[in-house]
Amino acid sequence: NAGVMQNPRHLVRRRGQEARLRCSPMKGHSHVYWYRQLPEEGLKFMVYLQKENIIDESGMPKERFSAEFPKEGPSILRIQQVVRGDSAAYFCASSPYGGLVGELFFGEGSRLTVL
Amino acid sequence: GQNIDQPTEMTATEGAIVQINCTYQTSGFNGLFWYQQHAGEAPTFLSYNVLDGLEEKGRFSSFLSRSKGYSYLLLKELQMKDSASYLCAVRLTGGGNKLTFGTGTQLKVEL
Repeated sequence: NAGVMQNPRHLVRRRGQEARLRCSPMKGHSHVYWYRQLPEEGLKFMVYLQKENIIDESGMPKERFSAEFPKEGPSILRIQQVVRGDSAAYFCASSPYGGLVGELFFGEGSRLTVL
Repeated sequence: GQNIDQPTEMTATEGAIVQINCTYQTSGFNGLFWYQQHAGEAPTFLSYNVLDGLEEKGRFSSFLSRSKGYSYLLLKELQMKDSASYLCAVRLTGGGNKLTFGTGTQLKVEL
């Protein structure tokens, strides 16, 4: 009974490169949430997606960041032209419903380091 | 805007009881969650309150007062493995299951 799977667990990029982070939700879950966590800080909401739809992207930076959750395959958080300030842990969470039921289940996170 | 406050860090002794407080001021409220996060690991769900009162789950209990915008997490019979960050999160109305988190309380359990 696999939980939320994220990969890669660790990613190193140089400034200006692209980072792609992948998230496979728990089986039966069709709602995905991405969060960013800076050292010594809490989880900051970025984007909420359902299959093929972005429901809420109020926490996404206006430039360089994008997210998708296709009909088939994992959700992807894409960061273009990375800068040092993008270094953080990126967590994905999933839930089976969009309604007010139950908790979010988190993955182990992807740790991005920008050199 | 949304404001969720919790102490930055706390220290307690093995075997003791510790209470971690969380206050919130949010536009809309539809539940309060507590998560535990060990360094470098995923946050894991501990408890959930949507109505006023106390919810008990083994060594962990959580309390909510909606009128005061206040919650606490109570940990009993502390163990060394309870050393972790404890995250308070609010689910807002109209946000689906989206959670807004506080900055977390780093708990250190000592002998």
